[in-house]
Amino acid sequence: DAKTTQPPSMDCAEGRAANLPCNHSTISGNEYVYWYRQIHSQGPQYIIHGLKNNETNEMASLIITEDRKSSTLILPHATLRDTAVYYCIVRGLSGNTPLVFGKGTRLSVIA
Amino acid sequence: GAVVSQHPSWVICKSGTSVKIECRSLDFQATTMFWYRQFPKQSLMLMATSNEGSKATYEQGVEKDKFLINHASLTLSTLTVTSAHPEDSSFYICSARDVQGKWTEAFFGQGTRLTVV
Repeated sequence: DAKTTQPPSMDCAEGRAANLPCNHSTISGNEYVYWYRQIHSQGPQYIIHGLKNNETNEMASLIITEDRKSSTLILPHATLRDTAVYYCIVRGLSGNTPLVFGKGTRLSVIA
Repeated sequence: GAVVSQHPSWVICKSGTSVKIECRSLDFQATTMFWYRQFPKQSLMLMATSNEGSKATYEQGVEKDKFLINHASLTLSTLTVTSAHPEDSSFYICSARDVQGKWTEAFFGQGTRLTVV
């Protein structure tokens, strides 16, 4: 699976949009971009994933660049409960392949 | 999304004893489950891949005789930490995917905090 690079930490004011970047310059054509987050002392929570088109669900939006070498996770109105470590992971759809976690971005939402 | 239930959520045990952690997929079948370990302020590290009806595949550096994995059914995998020692104290997390169903993403249990004293 391709490697990803994320900033170690970010701050965001409550109520504002949080934009979390991820670089994945070695992504291959059949690999998806997945985002998970981990709130302190809990298991990771799935947020969203995409291949090449932008995606949106009730939690977030995922913007993938046209060359697919980077993406941005957008939390449109961050709340204090969104404080967590956010992981960007690139992988194929094979069910037997585990997710490999990098260090992620620690997002702190500030009141 | 689908639900993965992990039990117990925390456990304290004496050094030298064994501890069993259960991971269940509640509303889907998982032919493959994954076990991770997470030390404080570190990311999740994959320990092993658990396959239903066959032996688990362990990552390099993970002792298979110490961390026994059983995946006897399509909805249950167990991790047994044998002869636990203080250095085994960690946050253990399981994950499962519905490889034959509607969900393509992996879902995680809530984790088990193991403290060995």
